[in-house]
Amino acid sequence: AQSVTQLDSQVPVFEEAPVELRCNYSSSVSVYLFWYVQYPNQGLQLLLKYLSGSTLVKGINGFEAEFNKSQTSFHLRKPSVHISDTAEYFCAVSVGGNTGKLIFGQGTTLQVKP
Amino acid sequence: GAVVSQHPSRVICKSGTSVKIECRSLDFQATTMFWYRQFPKQSLMLMATSNEGSKATYEQGVEKDKFLINHASLTLSTLTVTSAHPEDSSFYICSARENSVGYEQYFGPGTRLTVT
Repeated sequence: AQSVTQLDSQVPVFEEAPVELRCNYSSSVSVYLFWYVQYPNQGLQLLLKYLSGSTLVKGINGFEAEFNKSQTSFHLRKPSVHISDTAEYFCAVSVGGNTGKLIFGQGTTLQVKP
Repeated sequence: GAVVSQHPSRVICKSGTSVKIECRSLDFQATTMFWYRQFPKQSLMLMATSNEGSKATYEQGVEKDKFLINHASLTLSTLTVTSAHPEDSSFYICSARENSVGYEQYFGPGTRLTVT
């Protein structure tokens, strides 16, 4: 069965500093991987996704992630964060087959300080 | 881009009453919709998968008689919380999947349910 682990529950960082949010998954089959952002009392917005092809995926708001099959990781990075990036970030993996079901990690709270 | 709406955004109801939450795909047809529940400071828990014109598939541990899901059209799914209790208070989020495109789900803004 697939699972997703986000290694950090909270990541505090100063504005304009780089950040990495870590995500590891376990799966015995090929997976599709996603990062979503959630602002307070809102739904989820897709930041980026990996379906196939290049392992470096670029998303919105300057975020990017790298799929590493050997390490079963899909870490999210941004070279310079803004106050507005303060939010909850979720890594998710799509269950195999055509069900479309997503399994989410526990979430990481990114706290950008001035 | 694909937009999913939910109505209402917030609802307060008394214990024992039923509440209906609507999820609509505004600019695309969604053969599949998903319903999630999110507790404060926690991740999303998939409750059920809703396919247009067929019965919903519930995840293990979710009471199908308590959380009634109807996917009557390609743009509308509803979740009815029956005989609500305070422990049903939560943030309910729906998502919709366009026809087999990229496995991407588009999420609604969520509904905050408070049962008093």
